Amino acid sequence: QITLKESGPTLVKPTQTLTLTCTFSGFSLSSSGVGVGWIRQSPGKALEWLALLYWDGEQRYSPSLKSRLSIAKDTSKNQVVLTMTNMDPVDTATYYCAQRSTDVAGAFEFWGQGTLIAVSS
Amino acid sequence: SFELTQPLSVSVALGQTAKMTCGGNNIEGKNVHWYQQKPGQAPVLVIYKDSKRPAGIPDRFSGSNSGNTATLTISRVQAGDEADYYCQVWDRTTGVFGTGTKVTVL
Repeated sequence: QITLKESGPTLVKPTQTLTLTCTFSGFSLSSSGVGVGWIRQSPGKALEWLALLYWDGEQRYSPSLKSRLSIAKDTSKNQVVLTMTNMDPVDTATYYCAQRSTDVAGAFEFWGQGTLIAVSS
Repeated sequence: SFELTQPLSVSVALGQTAKMTCGGNNIEGKNVHWYQQKPGQAPVLVIYKDSKRPAGIPDRFSGSNSGNTATLTISRVQAGDEADYYCQVWDRTTGVFGTGTKVTVL
């Protein structure tokens, strides 16, 4: 059974750096073709793709947020960490991590429950 | 950057067929994935690679992709199908989600 769960602060102040952790089980990020991505959703808005980490360590970022994002893995802990710098109130959103698999042609088949992050002073 | 455009809303009577589109430049050259999202829940993959269904998704859900438009069709609509639906593609190495369609079951 594949599960993912996001964790992190619920509230960050403007200009601070957000660190989110995705803890997963049921698959290995060392397996060829597997990736873990981050997607966010501002209240009442559409899904927005943020970043992806592949099994081989390759990283991909949203062009509009690339300068603020960093994604990394801790294989021993089955975790993927996303950092976003210089947080702003417009970054208030629910942040999801999800597994990307070649089994489903690169779609996000399994998702975490999401974690709501508020940015406010 | 690649953009995916979806109609804001679609209304459908119970038991009828709902169709919603996802427009993008030459989208037929990409694999289109569709997600269903109910209020307060994480998205669920309902169609991948244009028309394939993941395990556990009923065959009432189907998809197609041609030209500049991909289409998700829900047959024999049930009350539980009321949700937001998002299309998604990979533009080279960048993930792109559509603007989303809210499906209302009448």
